[in-house]
Amino acid sequence: EAQVTQNPRYLITVTGKKLTVTCSQNMNHEYMSWYRQDPGLGLRQIYYSMNVEVTDKGDVPEGYKVSRKEKRNFPLILESPSPNQTSLYFCASSPRFGGSTEAFFGQGTRLTVV
Amino acid sequence: SQQGEEDPQALSIQEGENATMNCSYKTSINNLQWYRQNSGRGLVHLILIRSNEREKHSGRLRVTLDTSKKSSSLLITASRAADTASYFCATDDTGRRALTFGSGTRLQVQP
Repeated sequence: EAQVTQNPRYLITVTGKKLTVTCSQNMNHEYMSWYRQDPGLGLRQIYYSMNVEVTDKGDVPEGYKVSRKEKRNFPLILESPSPNQTSLYFCASSPRFGGSTEAFFGQGTRLTVV
Repeated sequence: SQQGEEDPQALSIQEGENATMNCSYKTSINNLQWYRQNSGRGLVHLILIRSNEREKHSGRLRVTLDTSKKSSSLLITASRAADTASYFCATDDTGRRALTFGSGTRLQVQP
């Protein structure tokens, strides 16, 4: 089944404790991205990747890192999480960016930083 | 940046009625997409309309796009309780490598 898989689905952590949220897609998509969703703010892009080893900042990259060493994986790293990073996070992929391509989303990771 | 704005923010209708939600945006786009999100879950793609198209249908969904007004509408006909969800428009903006999402419309369909 074609899908984007995020782990974990739920995470409660303490301020400053490094964490990684994994994202994997099995559709051989070139483009992957991370979004955070907050009430009243919709979805905002954190980072994106056009292909392996090509990443760039989105609209709200502060406090986050990403890597794209393999085509299928695009982990999101919070080196020192803070309470304002409490949010619902989504990973998405698409065959490429642009044209008439839809994005496929993971099921989300609900992160709470206390 | 957050450019898509949906209207209304919330909509409650009875099963069988039609639901219309609107989206406005600010910049030039390549295409506009609509997504559905069930409570707290991932977004699911519904339909895509290109900037040179004015109307598109898919099952019970009808999407219109007016690039002169920078607006789009999503019509769901003969709504069902299972249509209860949040609906987001997303624009593929020229010059940006990102989808820009609106804040969404929460649709409640009463059985």
